[in-house]
Amino acid sequence: GESVGLHLPTLSVQEGDNSIINCAYSNSASDYFIWYKQESGKGPQFIIDIRSNMDKRQGQRVTVLLNKTVKHLSLQIAATQPGDSAVYFCAEIRPLWVSFGAGTTVTVRA
Amino acid sequence: SQTIHQWPATLVQPVGSPLSLECTVEGTSNPNLYWYRQAAGRGLQLLFYSVGIGQISSEVPQNLSASRPQDRQFILSSKKLLLSDSGFYLCAWSESADTQYFGPGTRLTVL
Repeated sequence: GESVGLHLPTLSVQEGDNSIINCAYSNSASDYFIWYKQESGKGPQFIIDIRSNMDKRQGQRVTVLLNKTVKHLSLQIAATQPGDSAVYFCAEIRPLWVSFGAGTTVTVRA
Repeated sequence: SQTIHQWPATLVQPVGSPLSLECTVEGTSNPNLYWYRQAAGRGLQLLFYSVGIGQISSEVPQNLSASRPQDRQFILSSKKLLLSDSGFYLCAWSESADTQYFGPGTRLTVL
């Protein structure tokens, strides 16, 4: 069936470097996507969203890019900090339905 | 602002015992409410969602049930827990078919 997935289960990043987390989706009809951050033992937190009429959206230190041609979504974190260590999920939103990937665990090295 | 609460935060229960997890939302009316389960190292599995009082949709057949006795209250229950019910249970709300906001979660261990 159609699903949302993440390319890599883990990512190790040096503090201060930029992080890029990728996500592929398969439902070309989907028009809304969210990135969540989940710290250990806590619920997922909304980071940033993007709709299909956009290619790029920026937040504080985070940028989400959407490539509808290849159905690819990415989250870029600038100047990664220790507090960015967490599991990151992309989510595909449909009416009354959310599909999540298994997540990418980001570990920040000091 | 809206807030979402879940309790208990952690729970250890024997196999065959009943379960009741509670979720409440403040600061909004008639939210959509959701229960998810997250197994260790896995993604989120949608269990139930509700668009209004007394309206529950089940996504996964299992020995769990959900109820919505009040507009901003969502309860996850089981009459007899199985070992496979262990996991991290998350409640979420949304105003419409849009962004979902998650609660802090309940860590359930069935022994």
